[in-house]
Amino acid sequence: EIVLTQSPATLSLSPGERATLSCRASQSVGSSLAWFQQRPAQAPRLLIYDASNRASDIPARFSGSGSGTDFTLTINSLEPEDFAIYYCQQRSNWPLTFGGGTKVEIK
Amino acid sequence: EVQLVESGGGLVQPGGSLRLSCAASGFMFSNNGMNWVRQAPGKGLEWVSYISVTSSTRQYADSVKGRFTISRDNVQNSLFLQMNSLRDEDTAVYFCATSDWGYWGQGTLVTVSS
Repeated sequence: EIVLTQSPATLSLSPGERATLSCRASQSVGSSLAWFQQRPAQAPRLLIYDASNRASDIPARFSGSGSGTDFTLTINSLEPEDFAIYYCQQRSNWPLTFGGGTKVEIK
Repeated sequence: EVQLVESGGGLVQPGGSLRLSCAASGFMFSNNGMNWVRQAPGKGLEWVSYISVTSSTRQYADSVKGRFTISRDNVQNSLFLQMNSLRDEDTAVYFCATSDWGYWGQGTLVTVSS
């Protein structure tokens, strides 16, 4: 099973600042990595697929990069609605796995 | 409008069974693989199971293999998860989602407790 390790666990930032979230895989997943956002009491929402492609209707301030084992989600100029939990997910191998999540909270 | 609506959750005793359903509308259900994902209270996301368009491929997390069975009905546009031999650690909100992860339901809560 591929283990995804996300860091940091919590990121405390102010609106307008840039958020940089990391996801590291225990073995190469190529570009088969996605990022999700989950707000309280809501279902997850797909942000990025195949490491760097924004999903439909996702604002341009969200961007993904990386390949192999190291991936980054960047949120430029945080908006109030961006304070949430973010998960990475690999779909390279069965079983599919999620990272433990990074909580982006208001400083 | 795309909708995925889960149902069938509730309180069940350890060792019991439950069948979850996910009703799909607003898109070509029969052209999409489907997933179940769960989230224990206050915890992260855990992928549970996947089924392909024709049901020829089914995949399970090790934690549920042999106890859970995924199925679908492409005429009724519905996805199912039969859960047997339930354990305390199966307590979670269960979400259905399309295989491209673009659409998710709002989830149904399963509580396993005596």
